[in-house]
Amino acid sequence: AQTVTQSQPEMSVQEAETVTLSCTYDTSESDYYLFWYKQPPSRQMILVIRQEAYKQQNATENRFSVNFQKAAKSFSLKISDSQLGDAAMYFCAYKGRGSQGNLIFGKGTKLSVKP
Amino acid sequence: DAGVTQSPTHLIKTRGQQVTLRCSPKSGHDTVSWYQQALGQGPQFIFQYYEEEERQRGNFPDRFSGHQFPNYSSELNVNALLLGDSALYLCASSSPVHARSTDTQYFGPGTRLTVL
Repeated sequence: AQTVTQSQPEMSVQEAETVTLSCTYDTSESDYYLFWYKQPPSRQMILVIRQEAYKQQNATENRFSVNFQKAAKSFSLKISDSQLGDAAMYFCAYKGRGSQGNLIFGKGTKLSVKP
Repeated sequence: DAGVTQSPTHLIKTRGQQVTLRCSPKSGHDTVSWYQQALGQGPQFIFQYYEEEERQRGNFPDRFSGHQFPNYSSELNVNALLLGDSALYLCASSSPVHARSTDTQYFGPGTRLTVL
């Protein structure tokens, strides 16, 4: 069975600085998707970034980028120029291409942003 | 463009009761998935509905059932509520299977269920 591990329960970053959140996963599949979702106190789960495993190029969305290391089964999220609004729970999630509905989530990392 | 909506926002029930939660998918989406998120945990997949049928199910008992309507909206029903069913219930929708981004799920704001 696939698993997703986020080893940092909490992280803190100074406003305007850069922070990296870690995620590792375990799977025997070769084709899959990886996601980072943000969940602020409002509870809405917001998609931050998406990576397709067959693409070697790391995904980027404005200040958010990933470091996808397929062989190491690692998928870290880098947030540049951190803003107060980035404070939230961040969840890493996995979905096999053959899996129709099942997103598998890690336990999350709580990010605090200090002014 | 309307996103995923869920109702109600909060719900309080007592043990043994039954509850129905509702979800309307994002415009243009036809697939709905339900997740349970316990406090301090990541969401756990309950099931997914497509073409008014349950397409995939996670490790949840039969007390959890669902339905999808012709307009793609969906309901989650939980019978014989237990204290452990207290959680945030999230609905997510995704685009039609022929579209490029079928694997990306967009979430609603959730329903907070408290069982006393």
